[in-house]
Amino acid sequence: AQSVTQLDSQVPVFEEAPVELRCNYSSSVSVYLFWYVQYPNQGLQLLLKYLSGSTLVESINGFEAEFNKSQTSFHLRKPSVHISDTAEYFCAVSEGTGANNLFFGTGTRLTVIP
Amino acid sequence: NAGVTQTPKFQVLKTGQSMTLQCAQDMNHNSMYWYRQDPGMGLRLIYYSASEGTTDKGEVPNGYNVSRLNKREFSLRLESAAPSQTSVYFCASTRTGGNYEQYFGPGTRLTVT
Repeated sequence: AQSVTQLDSQVPVFEEAPVELRCNYSSSVSVYLFWYVQYPNQGLQLLLKYLSGSTLVESINGFEAEFNKSQTSFHLRKPSVHISDTAEYFCAVSEGTGANNLFFGTGTRLTVIP
Repeated sequence: NAGVTQTPKFQVLKTGQSMTLQCAQDMNHNSMYWYRQDPGMGLRLIYYSASEGTTDKGEVPNGYNVSRLNKREFSLRLESAAPSQTSVYFCASTRTGGNYEQYFGPGTRLTVT
């Protein structure tokens, strides 16, 4: 089974500063990669995904993530955060087989400070 | 489309009581999942159903049972609730094929006293 590591459990950052949330996974087989966001008292929403093709993927609200196969990483970045980005972010990996099960990291709580 | 819906939103149980969490999706997805979310532990898969009529154990199935009632509905049952089952429970669904994201319901916050 996959193992997904999000080393930073909490990341405080000032508004308009850049941020990077780190994600590493264990397997070297072909994988599909996802970042989900969870706002307080809500379910998870897909932020962005890597399925194939360009290793840099972007979301509609300015986040981007880069798939690095050699380092088995899928770090999430944003050049300038807003207060509204305060949420918990989960990295998830699928091997794309069987029931398409997702393996989740433990999450990173991003707090944007005014 | 309502997406994935879950009932109830909140529930308090006493130790030993039983209850069923309901989940339904209207996206014609084949696969459905039940997760629990605990602080610092991310989401852990309890059970999943790859298609109507099939169910399989996930990472933390002990103390739970599931029923895939039809293609739309996937329920989670706690036969004898324990305080360790205090958690937020999420249902999710996806298309079969390997490269589709999962869609999540709003969650059920369960407290067992």
